Amino acid sequence: QVQLQESGPGLVKPSETLSLTCAVSGYSISSGYYWGWIRQPPGKGLEWIGTIYHSGSAYYSPSLTSRVTISVDTSKNQFSLKLSSVTAADTAVYYCARWWELSYFDYWGQGTLVTVSS
Amino acid sequence: QSVLTQPPSVSAAPGQKVTISCSGSSFNIGNNFVSWYQQLPGTAPKLLIYDNNKRPSGIPDRFSGSKSGTSASLGITGLQTGDEADYYCGTWDSSLSAVVFGGGTKLTVL
Repeated sequence: QVQLQESGPGLVKPSETLSLTCAVSGYSISSGYYWGWIRQPPGKGLEWIGTIYHSGSAYYSPSLTSRVTISVDTSKNQFSLKLSSVTAADTAVYYCARWWELSYFDYWGQGTLVTVSS
Repeated sequence: QSVLTQPPSVSAAPGQKVTISCSGSSFNIGNNFVSWYQQLPGTAPKLLIYDNNKRPSGIPDRFSGSKSGTSASLGITGLQTGDEADYYCGTWDSSLSAVVFGGGTKLTVL
């Protein structure tokens, strides 16, 4: 059974960089699939952030591409998200998920709330 | 403003059937697979339908998906109180080179 678990600081100061990691178990990232990040502001809908293949090939949301970096560490079977210059608008529950290319997210992490506040 | 348009809410009585629509364009729904997700209160989204009309293992056949042109629909029959959740459609947008989601539909089982 594939499982994903997000981890990282729950509070980030404005203008700083948000950093999250997603640990994958039950499947080797280097075996295939894309791996992605999705966020959900409180009380709002889902917003895709970006996805990455184990080779490093990535897709990013056009609205976030200037601030987002997603990387993969196959040796630790995990992938990471960095979002720079955060503001209160970046406050959200951040989910990591496995992505079937150009199609669907089949396995999701439980999500982690990140609050941007001084 | 979401790229995909869903009704904000739908409601129906237990045992009844409900349909949730998802409208897009030729850049997204019209030429790519649609997926549907169920998000129960306080939990992560769960894949309900993929590739327009396929159900993952463990998803009951009360849930069905369809697509026609630039629109897709999720059907739920035999409604149960446990089906009360937010439902999202998603697909790839070839023009944006991005995953896009609908704004979500809140299902209330009266």
